[in-house]
Parts: sequence; C-alpha cells; structure tokens
Amino acid sequence: EAGVAQSPRYKIIEKRQSVAFWCNPISGHATLYWYQQILGQGPKLLIQFQNNGVVDDSQLPKDRFSAERLKGVDSTLKIQPAKLEDSAVYLCASSLEGVYNEQFFGPGTRLTVL
Amino acid sequence: KQEVTQIPAALSVPEGENLVLNCSFTDSAIYNLQWFRQDPGKGLTSLLLIQSSQREQTSGRLNASLDKSSGRSTLYIAASQPGDSATYLCAPEGGAGSYQLTFGKGTKLSVIP
Repeated sequence: EAGVAQSPRYKIIEKRQSVAFWCNPISGHATLYWYQQILGQGPKLLIQFQNNGVVDDSQLPKDRFSAERLKGVDSTLKIQPAKLEDSAVYLCASSLEGVYNEQFFGPGTRLTVL
Repeated sequence: KQEVTQIPAALSVPEGENLVLNCSFTDSAIYNLQWFRQDPGKGLTSLLLIQSSQREQTSGRLNASLDKSSGRSTLYIAASQPGDSATYLCAPEGGAGSYQLTFGKGTKLSVIP
C-alpha cells in the first residue's frame, strides 16, 4: 500500500514570496491533516479536512496560509507572503476517518525562508 | 489546552539495554494515544496506537502502556539496537475539548554499538 506522498521535499524562498505544497493521502483515507513542525518541537496541527470539508482550522494563520482539498483527495497548502518564522517542516498525514484512527504521515516538506 | 511532556529529552544507552520513555499529558479525557518515531530529516512513522479503553499495546520489541486516569504513557523498548536511534514522540488524541493530536517535544534516543 502506497504511503502519503508530498512534494516538493525541500524549498528555499525569500521572505514575502509565495510557496505551495502538495499532498496525496493514502487511498481511501477520508481525513487529511497538515502539520507544521518547527525545529526542536513536536508537530502542530494547522488544518484538518474530512473529505473536502474543513473540520478544524483554528491554528491556521489565515492572513497568510490557505489550504484546499480538491474532490476529497489531494490537498495543497499555500503560504503568501512567507515570513522568516514560517521556516519549518510541513507534514501531511491521513487517516481512515477522524477520531480513533491511526494517522499516517508523509515525508514532509522542509521550507527555509531567507 | 492539552499539554504533553516527554522525559527525558535525550537518552544515550549501550546496545542491548532495555529502556523506558515517559510521556505525561494534562487532560485525561483522551480518545487514544499514538507513539511515533522520527528519523532525522524524515516524517513520522507510527509505532503503536493505544485506544483509551486499552492498558497496553505490543509490537515486536516495543510495548506501550497507558494509564489514562493519571495522564501517563510509557514506551518500553527491549534489547535496544543502533537502528532504534531516532526521536520518539507521543501524541494523545483529544483532551481539553479538542479532537486533535497534541505532540510532545520528543525523546531523542541514541543507541551506542
């Protein structure tokens, strides 16, 4: 069974530029998550989708971050404009449903903002 | 707000030793708890999922226990190997009115050959 796919793996941009990350979850998984992991910290949830609807985006900085999940499968996370403090690893995860189900993570995208 | 603490922050042991990693959380109203490992520059690999009604879960040399009422979980690794070197993260799901996974900062394990 294929795992969670993410691209790109690495991205370097300058502050105020925009960037987008892509995620393809495990086939059949209804729930998709985007996390931000700053160096030395545990991941922090940014947004959770159930199929193509948003379940929780309470920790998403909506003035600069946006996310969508088209047709309940792939998802993109965008940052516009980027700030220095956005430098982090962005992890995508998926699960069969929401609560009670194991989450499976992709390899992440390491973003460096200069 | 659910808060998770993992002790110790770092641990170095000789190969073959048995070891215990500790995780504590502030709100015991959780649905389950997951243990993950993270290798440098990589994503998270799920190791064990313990449902709130369970006391422990085993996979190979790994055994995780959960004491929900006291807000604690432990991950026991038997006969450690150099390949076990990684950062181990625990994440309870739920608590403090949320359905989210809340992560600790992890325990960085080094197993010395």
